[in-house]
Amino acid sequence: GAVVSQHPSWVICKSGTSVKIECRSLDFQATTMFWYRQFPKQSLMLMATSNEGSKATYEQGVEKDKFLINHASLTLSTLTVTSAHPEDSSFYICRIGTAYNEQFFGPGTRLTVL
Amino acid sequence: QKEVEQDPGPLSVPEGAIVSLNCTYSNSAFQYFMWYRQYSRKGPELLMYTYSSGNKEDGRFTAQVDKSSKYISLFIRDSQPSDSATYLCAMSANQAGTALIFGKGTTLSVSS
Repeated sequence: GAVVSQHPSWVICKSGTSVKIECRSLDFQATTMFWYRQFPKQSLMLMATSNEGSKATYEQGVEKDKFLINHASLTLSTLTVTSAHPEDSSFYICRIGTAYNEQFFGPGTRLTVL
Repeated sequence: QKEVEQDPGPLSVPEGAIVSLNCTYSNSAFQYFMWYRQYSRKGPELLMYTYSSGNKEDGRFTAQVDKSSKYISLFIRDSQPSDSATYLCAMSANQAGTALIFGKGTTLSVSS
């Protein structure tokens, strides 16, 4: 069965609104969670790394005030795209790392900003 | 030069063919090598995980790592239409995979 879930799987929103994406670890305590963005026919681009209870570490070029990450528990991390614009339309995927160094990806969330 | 190079394809083969997918890399610190399969609009699924050089076999899949050449391969035997997907190589210098570097992915289409 699925180890990682994401919600919603697909969201369409108007430009200027904020969208929250949840990533849940179902079977493991996720000490580390990673957020990726994937544009069509492109590879996964790491956006940020978060550890439970601490601030996320963002990759160069990723606006931390636009992409808010909260990792409040060992099973839940959220990514909020604030004031979304059409160029933010993408496939957002989380990855969890467990204490046993296993790595699992979520099923992804497709965001379309009109 | 990018850290990881992967031919994006697309690669089209008939059912039953042997498929060879490859990645090259430049960072000699990479020790952990992975292959992921990603179906359209889905998250990547781990197929193979290899440490350092050598071969690893799992069913119809074989992963090879040649660290001296900085070259990794994934072979798929007796390919099936259900193997049609994008295959991403990924590598890391540490076991925790905190700095996992991905290739662009190769799109494979297996026709029946």
